[in-house]
Amino acid sequence: ETGVTQSPTHLIKTRGQQVTLRCSSQSGHNTVSWYQQALGQGPQFIFQYYREEENGRGNFPPRFSGLQFPNYSSELNVNALELDDSALYLCASSLEGAQDTQYFGPGTRLTVL
Amino acid sequence: KQEVTQIPAALSVPEGENLVLNCSFTDSAIYNLQWFRQDPGKGLTSLLLIQSSQREQTSGRLNASLDKSSGRSTLYIAASQPGDSATYLCAVCVRGSTLGRLYFGRGTQLTVWP
Repeated sequence: ETGVTQSPTHLIKTRGQQVTLRCSSQSGHNTVSWYQQALGQGPQFIFQYYREEENGRGNFPPRFSGLQFPNYSSELNVNALELDDSALYLCASSLEGAQDTQYFGPGTRLTVL
Repeated sequence: KQEVTQIPAALSVPEGENLVLNCSFTDSAIYNLQWFRQDPGKGLTSLLLIQSSQREQTSGRLNASLDKSSGRSTLYIAASQPGDSATYLCAVCVRGSTLGRLYFGRGTQLTVWP
């Protein structure tokens, strides 16, 4: 049990729609990272938020965006969904000064039809 | 750019065997290396974390080693059980990158049959 929760568990959308995924971390975890894991692949880093500001981004287009809130919750937003966006989306949080140790949530399975 | 490779991609063994899973990475400037377990359709469970200054970590039947200079890590599973069936992922945290960003391999899918 990592103390990190994600919602919803599963989600089905159609191509072109927009989606918001949510993550709730433990108190004091002011760094959150999001990863995309396609079927049969390892997770790929999307971006990281630290103290409500984006702190690094992987090779993902601007239609992937995020927000982090003062209550240690965060969102991943994806606009103009494409079929290839179908994946498991994982969030991971860490404590100030201990960003090399991350706690993963159970993930949200997104299917784009 | 850090590349992480895991060999083999899949492994199927009878119960009781001792196993070795391999991970290699291209950039040796790492903070740490971590092994995760992932059950089908589920999130990640951290198994072992080895800091860059360490050579190995042990937890129960699991032992992970790290040779940073050669860019290799090995996860050893002793006396395998059907409950060990899962995908095992290796990930490195790299210096000079976004702190905490993990680079993952594609995993080794392990099946242990009774």
